[in-house]
Amino acid sequence: QVQLVQSGAEVEKPGASVKVSCKASGYTFTSYNLHWVRQAPGQGLEWMGIIDPRSASPTYAPKFQGRVTMTRDTSTSTLYMELSSLRSEDTAMYYCARDSSDWCIDYWGQGTLVTVSS
Amino acid sequence: QSALTQPPSASGSPGQSVTISCTGTSSDVGGYNYVSWYQQHPGKAPKLMIYEVSKRPSGVPDRFSGSKSGNTASLTVSGLQAEDEADYYCSSYAGSIGWLFGGGTKLTVL
Repeated sequence: QVQLVQSGAEVEKPGASVKVSCKASGYTFTSYNLHWVRQAPGQGLEWMGIIDPRSASPTYAPKFQGRVTMTRDTSTSTLYMELSSLRSEDTAMYYCARDSSDWCIDYWGQGTLVTVSS
Repeated sequence: QSALTQPPSASGSPGQSVTISCTGTSSDVGGYNYVSWYQQHPGKAPKLMIYEVSKRPSGVPDRFSGSKSGNTASLTVSGLQAEDEADYYCSSYAGSIGWLFGGGTKLTVL
């Protein structure tokens, strides 16, 4: 079965960077694009970007351009998302999610809570 | 690019139908038939309910249906059940800027 297992919760100070991982299993890693979506406490979903695991080519949401980096390691079927220059507004649950190839998301990771606090 | 516009709340009694709207622009909802809807229960990851405007994934009850007219998409839940109480989010492909989500609608079953 398809599984996306994310790394554990992180606490970071303002100005620092955080790197979240997402290990995929149950399917061919390079066959499906992967999204990152975040959700601040009590707020809605926010799309951050998508990466093609075959080419490692990412597309970032304009809001995060210059601050986010999405990478992957095909040898371990793992996706990474690094967000820099953290501020309190970046406190959120971060999800990795598989693109179904039907222009939607069919599987989600369990989420990684990132807390930015001094 | 702003998020898609959804009403913050909707409600209905068991057995009734409720429709949630999702308004965008000609650059997203109106420009592509790539609107999807997600259900999210508290503390859980979202679940895909509708894709490509009106298609249902395997396992999603046919009480859930989707449609689109112009720049507005809609999700209708018929025969409301207690377990339908959740947050619902629409999403649309938006071309070069990627994907957009709506602000979410909290559905209450009275």
